[in-house]
Amino acid sequence: GAVVSQHPSWVICKSGTSVKIECRSLDFQATTMFWYRQFPKQSLMLMATSNEGSKATYEQGVEKDKFLINHASLTLSTLTVTSAHPEDSSFYICSARDGYWGYEQYFGPGTRLTVT
Amino acid sequence: GNSVTQMEGPVTLSEEAFLTINCTYTATGYPSLFWYVQYPGEGLQLLLKATKADDKGSNKGFEATYRKETTSFHLEKGSVQVSDSAVYFCALRGGSTLGRLYFGRGTQLTVWP
Repeated sequence: GAVVSQHPSWVICKSGTSVKIECRSLDFQATTMFWYRQFPKQSLMLMATSNEGSKATYEQGVEKDKFLINHASLTLSTLTVTSAHPEDSSFYICSARDGYWGYEQYFGPGTRLTVT
Repeated sequence: GNSVTQMEGPVTLSEEAFLTINCTYTATGYPSLFWYVQYPGEGLQLLLKATKADDKGSNKGFEATYRKETTSFHLEKGSVQVSDSAVYFCALRGGSTLGRLYFGRGTQLTVWP
């Protein structure tokens, strides 16, 4: 149980285009989802926290107009990188919190974004 | 505030060697403590956790004890295997936050046969 999936697992896009990454909790309802960014050989940087049905809370320094987060249901959150640039290339990881059983966070496998 | 300081890597060991990765924390309230493992190209997997002082988390031969007096949660394994090669992250979840995790920088472990 407690599986979180991400799609796609990797994506290559051209500079100036937008890319959507999906995060799904497969067997539990995620009241809260978190989006992280990880640079090579570095720790995870929390980008934003999203609660189902409400606006995401962004961490300081994260551009909310560039990284659009939607948490429309208890099993799905999406991160859209708008007008992507090469500096947005990174590994994006989501996690989902099971709000009903122990508040544990379960992590997705990550999405590798490369912007050319 | 909440923060985690983790031993810098990389750590390179021979198979069957003893492993220790140090982790200390600063927190308000009563945090829960975690170790996560990340294999190349993958997301994070929970390795073990402890939710209160003196608790010992254990899994797959790894252990860590929640030491409130020294604000530490060091990861240990008595005999590492090549398959343990990965990046290990120490993390805390504050008692007063909505589930947010605070991560250390991660420690790269490489085990040679």
